[in-house]
Amino acid sequence: GQQVMQIPQYQHVQEGEDFTTYCNSSTTLSNIQWYKQRPGGHPVFLIQLVKSGEVKKQKRLTFQFGEAKKNSSLHITATQTTDVGTYFCAVSYYGQNFVFGPGTRLSVLP
Amino acid sequence: DVKVTQSSRYLVKRTGEKVFLECVQDMDHENMFWYRQDPGLGLRLIYFSYDVKMKEKGDIPEGYSVSREKKERFSLILESASTNQTSMYLCASIKDRAGQETQYFGPGTRLLVL
Repeated sequence: GQQVMQIPQYQHVQEGEDFTTYCNSSTTLSNIQWYKQRPGGHPVFLIQLVKSGEVKKQKRLTFQFGEAKKNSSLHITATQTTDVGTYFCAVSYYGQNFVFGPGTRLSVLP
Repeated sequence: DVKVTQSSRYLVKRTGEKVFLECVQDMDHENMFWYRQDPGLGLRLIYFSYDVKMKEKGDIPEGYSVSREKKERFSLILESASTNQTSMYLCASIKDRAGQETQYFGPGTRLLVL
């Protein structure tokens, strides 16, 4: 099946520092979604990107879809303890089900 | 608001037992999914269903079966539980798979097979 990579696997930051996670595919994607899973919780949808080069913002979160539609990034500015959790990308290859990445687990030290 | 519920949050079973995990969604979604989540592996698709009585294998269907007798309910069955099926099981639903809408997840069932 299709493979999707996420880096890093873990990230520990001091509160107030920025954080970025990357999602990479070897194949051109139709679209990509990002989810957040709090410790002990279930994945919750954050955003969907569809267009090449698309950039979307949600408060301190910035999502970007690569020009070639093979990668994406999620950037958090000035992390807070409420940002703790695992961030998953879910990629779609035209007409197929979403494939989830392994996730990036973010820890924020107060 | 979409609500996806799962029958149990925690379950402990013995090797060889038959296990039923149930998922119910209340938004009339056509498509439902079962995933398992393991550390470092993310979410892996076990089975999905795009209509009543329809089912399709996902990436890791071995050792599992499913049932979709009603639109709102999607059951995952472990015919003979094994220790390597200890995992977190997540159910999800989506209205229109072709439209690539968001998936709504249930709270998950953490299964321990002894």
